[in-house]
Amino acid sequence: GEDVEQSLFLSVREGDSSVINCTYTDSSSTYLYWYKQEPGAGLQLLTYIFSNMDMKQDQRLTVLLNKKDKHLSLRIADTQTGDSAIYFCAERATPLVFGKGTRLSVIA
Amino acid sequence: DGGITQSPKYLFRKEGQNVTLSCEQNLNHDAMYWYRQDPGQGLRLIYYSQIVNDFQKGDIAEGYSVSREKKESFPLTVTSAQKNPTAFYLCASSTTDREVSPLHFGNGTRLTVT
Repeated sequence: GEDVEQSLFLSVREGDSSVINCTYTDSSSTYLYWYKQEPGAGLQLLTYIFSNMDMKQDQRLTVLLNKKDKHLSLRIADTQTGDSAIYFCAERATPLVFGKGTRLSVIA
Repeated sequence: DGGITQSPKYLFRKEGQNVTLSCEQNLNHDAMYWYRQDPGQGLRLIYYSQIVNDFQKGDIAEGYSVSREKKESFPLTVTSAQKNPTAFYLCASSTTDREVSPLHFGNGTRLTVT
């Protein structure tokens, strides 16, 4: 079955770039999603990428996809304290398959 | 504005009591989902429904029940049979007729059972 793996913690200094990594297992064409969860709230969709793309950029966010290695990353440029949250990657399936989330801490 | 409403935000119950968590959506989505979130555990799927009057068990359905009598509503009952009910519960919905069908989440209900 599908499985999505993420590292659990990441700490960066304000103004630096953050890179959150994810690996997935489904080899078929699929959509891959990144969600953000702030404390005490639900998950908010940040962006998504189709598996025939290598990269997608949306303002400070860049998603990179390495299909050969089934590796997905989310880069946040100029990280701010407001970016502190848990970030989930998810693989399209019915239902979606989520990783356990990466807790990003931004140090001022 | 369209969205998903979960109520209440905080819920307290005594052990041995059943409790029902509300989830309503006005996005006209066919599919709805319930997840449980515990610290360090990520999201675990409890139940999901892709159409009215039908639902499927997720990974941790034991001790929970759902109904889907209306497209807009998918209430979750946490029964006294659930061993560790204290958790953060998230409801979500999605379309089923498009290739891109991300989940849209509510803001969650934090249930504390003592």
